[in-house]
Amino acid sequence: NAGVTQTPKFQVLKTGQSMTLQCAQDMNHEYMSWYRQDPGMGLRLIHYSVGAGITDQGEVPNGYNVSRSTTEDFPLRLLSAAPSQTSVYFCASRRVMNTEAFFGQGTRLTVV
Amino acid sequence: GESVGLHLPTLSVQEGDNSIINCAYSNSASDYFIWYKQESGKGPQFIIDIRSNMDKRQGQRVTVLLNKTVKHLSLQIAATQPGDSAVYFCAENLNTGFQKLVFGTGTRLLVSP
Repeated sequence: NAGVTQTPKFQVLKTGQSMTLQCAQDMNHEYMSWYRQDPGMGLRLIHYSVGAGITDQGEVPNGYNVSRSTTEDFPLRLLSAAPSQTSVYFCASRRVMNTEAFFGQGTRLTVV
Repeated sequence: GESVGLHLPTLSVQEGDNSIINCAYSNSASDYFIWYKQESGKGPQFIIDIRSNMDKRQGQRVTVLLNKTVKHLSLQIAATQPGDSAVYFCAENLNTGFQKLVFGTGTRLLVSP
């Protein structure tokens, strides 16, 4: 029972590079979200999705793109990485609204 | 090691004490609340939840209290153990447009043997 799987676990990027953080869930959850976690800031919502083909912006969407072509996958794209995007990124999924969210183990991203 | 939470408020207790962690939430439209525990280097783990039509819910060694009048949530941990040491977050489900879950800043709990 894999739950929410994030890859990679660690990544170092140079400023201006692009990359995609992968997130997959095997629980058939409709809701998926991306958060970033910085020291002293808790978890901040970047983008979220309420089903395949439906996404919306969270609290800190700038610099990130998402799409949701399948129920299982919700990739997060950084088009041109900046040092301010150095953070730990968590993907989460929920079965429906008003239920708990299950989190992946996180991706630690460093932009130099 | 994990550097998240360098500036978080910290609650220090002795093993066996009861712990109370507080959270002020932001939106009166929030209708569902969750407490999460996060250990170093791991993702948040669900502890307990409560819906807005309740003011108290109990689990195993944990109790969540909700005061909608002052938009306050608390987590009580009975007989705190060293394994409870972690960062604790409250999260509120914003019921505006698409439902989304937003998190508070967090509190670090340190339990001394």
